[in-house]
Amino acid sequence: DTAVSQTPKYLVTQMGNDKSIKCEQNLGHDTMYWYKQDSKKFLKIMFSYNNKELIINETVPNRFSPKSPDKAHLNLHINSLELGDSAVYFCASSQALLGAYGYTFGSGTRLTVV
Amino acid sequence: DAKTTQPPSMDCAEGRAANLPCNHSTISGNEYVYWYRQIHSQGPQYIIHGLKNNETNEMASLIITEDRKSSTLILPHATLRDTAVYYCIVRAYNNAGNMLTFGGGTRLMVKP
Repeated sequence: DTAVSQTPKYLVTQMGNDKSIKCEQNLGHDTMYWYKQDSKKFLKIMFSYNNKELIINETVPNRFSPKSPDKAHLNLHINSLELGDSAVYFCASSQALLGAYGYTFGSGTRLTVV
Repeated sequence: DAKTTQPPSMDCAEGRAANLPCNHSTISGNEYVYWYRQIHSQGPQYIIHGLKNNETNEMASLIITEDRKSSTLILPHATLRDTAVYYCIVRAYNNAGNMLTFGGGTRLMVKP
């Protein structure tokens, strides 16, 4: 039973398209995150949500819009995809926003924009 | 987050202990030291964290110096499956805007 699951695992799409990546956690955690790992392998925080509420938006273009229908789900919608959006996107969750809790990561979604 | 410094790469013989160092000389009193690893093409995996005492779990041991300016992650008997990038991160536990921030990490290669 996967703790943090992302779908799809792979996504290949053309420039200009709109796509969504879904994330679900079954850990009962309050806080969820999206990270982006580019071709140079640096992992960067994009968004943080706590109990469905946006906490952090780290200088991400507004083409990226996270949506949290409930605290177990944090989906990422991307409009007008660009070549530079190609990366691996990781969803993560933690028990709470504050406190010394570890993050549990999903296995990633590899997005390729052609 | 306090900046951390790790060697970019290390080798270790299979079955031997892997000792991964991390410098965090500007760490604050409210910051924990976390270790994560990322095995090729997988999501980062939590290993261990600590504040000032040494910690041990089924995966590893974390040794933090008394002044908290550096730490060492110890994998007691490294296996080939421990080949990964290991990240040392410091993060405040009481700052809502303080997310887990990854640096370059140490690429550990365990060799037969």
